[in-house]
Amino acid sequence: GQNIDQPTEMTATEGAIVQINCTYQTSGFNGLFWYQQHAGEAPTFLSYNVLDGLEEKGRFSSFLSRSKGYSYLLLKELQMKDSASYLCAVGDYKLSFGAGTTVTVRA
Amino acid sequence: NAGVMQNPRHLVRRRGQEARLRCSPMKGHSHVYWYRQLPEEGLKFMVYLQKENIIDESGMPKERFSAEFPKEGPSILRIQQVVRGDSAAYFCASSPTDIRAGELFFGEGSRLTVL
Repeated sequence: GQNIDQPTEMTATEGAIVQINCTYQTSGFNGLFWYQQHAGEAPTFLSYNVLDGLEEKGRFSSFLSRSKGYSYLLLKELQMKDSASYLCAVGDYKLSFGAGTTVTVRA
Repeated sequence: NAGVMQNPRHLVRRRGQEARLRCSPMKGHSHVYWYRQLPEEGLKFMVYLQKENIIDESGMPKERFSAEFPKEGPSILRIQQVVRGDSAAYFCASSPTDIRAGELFFGEGSRLTVL
């Protein structure tokens, strides 16, 4: 089975940096995904890591350590529109999602 | 290029009625996935379908739930004799190949409320 843990909530100031950690325990590993979900909307894909290391995509970066079962999503230069839930997921076609981390960006 | 389309967006049913949720994948996508999201919980995988085939239904409750993806038309998630515990947001996602090669594209979800 899969067990995925991430913090429930985080608050940060506009322009700051926030790091959302995710730890997982899986019976097999095919990749780690991060999705963003605004309240009442569809989850949208942010990043995919299958090898150890950092993947950078604009203001968002995602890191993976397979040996530690650990990932983080780094959000830089926070904007108000980044207030959303961030979902960590592992798997292949059958993704197991964490409960999500609600990030609130304050002015 | 339209995204994944789900309807209805909101559905209210009384206990014992049937709910039918529809999903049209993105153009060119032949893989469809259904997930359920309960309040304060993560998305839970239900079923993975390709045209006319159920590939993996390991997340589907054994009774009352069924899914199909016919050769023509949208994928349908059907819940018979709904109960209050079925109240949730049901998300459909699609991909051009299986997820090993890329990400899922999610629809806006169908929110089912059972009275």
